[in-house]
Amino acid sequence: GENVEQHPSTLSVQEGDSAVIKCTYSDSASNYFPWYKQELGKRPQLIIDIRSNVGEKKDQRIAVTLNKTAKHFSLHITETQPEDSAVYFCAASGKGAQKLVFGQGTRLTINP
Amino acid sequence: NAGVMQNPRHLVRRRGQEARLRCSPMKGHSHVYWYRQLPEEGLKFMVYLQKENIIDESGMPKERFSAEFPKEGPSILRIQQVVRGDSAAYFCASSPQMTDTQYFGPGTRLTVL
Repeated sequence: GENVEQHPSTLSVQEGDSAVIKCTYSDSASNYFPWYKQELGKRPQLIIDIRSNVGEKKDQRIAVTLNKTAKHFSLHITETQPEDSAVYFCAASGKGAQKLVFGQGTRLTINP
Repeated sequence: NAGVMQNPRHLVRRRGQEARLRCSPMKGHSHVYWYRQLPEEGLKFMVYLQKENIIDESGMPKERFSAEFPKEGPSILRIQQVVRGDSAAYFCASSPQMTDTQYFGPGTRLTVL
């Protein structure tokens, strides 16, 4: 089955700098890759997703890139702000309405 | 459009009791997924249901755990004879038919004493 690895497990950056979180997946049939942000005690919130027919997607300060050949995808947050501090999870799934396989999470801390 | 609803938000049970967790998907969503999150860990898939059907239960323990999504009413995740290791946050998510995007509920935090 699918396996998703996420790195780093913790990341600390200065406010205003960029943060990058990377994930690799094992199943070449996976074609949907969402990213979720989870604040302490809260629900995971979808922040951006990408499908395998595109290589990059951007939404304001957040971007995701996908390399299907290498089977990895990354989350990029620019101009980080204190409210970006949270745990971020990547995930992968196959075609259609199927289960998500999550990475282990990255705890991002933005230092003022 | 109300989001995914879960209740109760917190549930305390003693070992051996039953836990019943409810999930109401977003309006118009016919697919429900249950995930478990242990403290300081990621989310693990348990079961995927459509109305009156279990589609994929590959992540759900064979013993003590069951799930349903009846024609009317919320989806139910039932844990019989709970043990301390069942203590976790249980999230459900829903998606519209034939799309990938899953939206999560606020979770039920189960504590087994």
